[in-house]
Amino acid sequence: QSALTQPASVSGSPGQSITISCIGTSSDVGSYNLVSWYQQHPGKAPKLMIFEGNKRPSGISNRFSGSKSGNTASLTISGLQAEDEADYYCCSYAGSSSLVFGGGTKLTVL
Amino acid sequence: EVQLVQSGAEVKKPGESLKISCKGSGYSFTSYWIGWVRQMPGKGLEWMGIIYPGDSDIRYSPSFQGQVTISADKSISTAYLQWSSLKASDTAIYYCARPGAGMATSEGVFAFDIWGQGTMVTISS
Repeated sequence: QSALTQPASVSGSPGQSITISCIGTSSDVGSYNLVSWYQQHPGKAPKLMIFEGNKRPSGISNRFSGSKSGNTASLTISGLQAEDEADYYCCSYAGSSSLVFGGGTKLTVL
Repeated sequence: EVQLVQSGAEVKKPGESLKISCKGSGYSFTSYWIGWVRQMPGKGLEWMGIIYPGDSDIRYSPSFQGQVTISADKSISTAYLQWSSLKASDTAIYYCARPGAGMATSEGVFAFDIWGQGTMVTISS
């Protein structure tokens, strides 16, 4: 399994919206509605932001949303805030009980 | 409160063995998969494998099969990750994690909702 492909970095100003893409294949992202997204601040453990493509765990702001088209999943953050600055990772179920992560995207809030 | 508490940082030499732990509390330990995720210095997350403590069903990532051993002792609600012969390339932070309700089936885990604090493993001669 190859890692999912994410842009190395994205940036946006406070209040703006940004979208992070996550490109997989027909064996993972394209085959299952089971993409999750994680936020990781420096020195901290990852935090689940989105699961099953577009569901938010309890306590996660509705500024975070997920979507999918074909083999590409996306995370959109609206109303960007300073505290959103972090690394973001996508992850997809890939069959046979396996998961595959993306390489990660560093979000900078300008 | 549902928690996963991992063992402390380790410094080892190449060729040594190591077993790190992840203790679950605040929930039925035998009813949820536990997974392990590696993060090498300055790098991204990598899925290593999962274990279902209820029956010790284990699934490994092909990348880690044969390189590590995942186990659990349900009597003390603790999962383990172990190496028999460490390499410098094993230097990383290792996280254990648990899926939330509805984020797993008998086939495996789809997302991790609860994470341990991470265990830093440093391998250096």
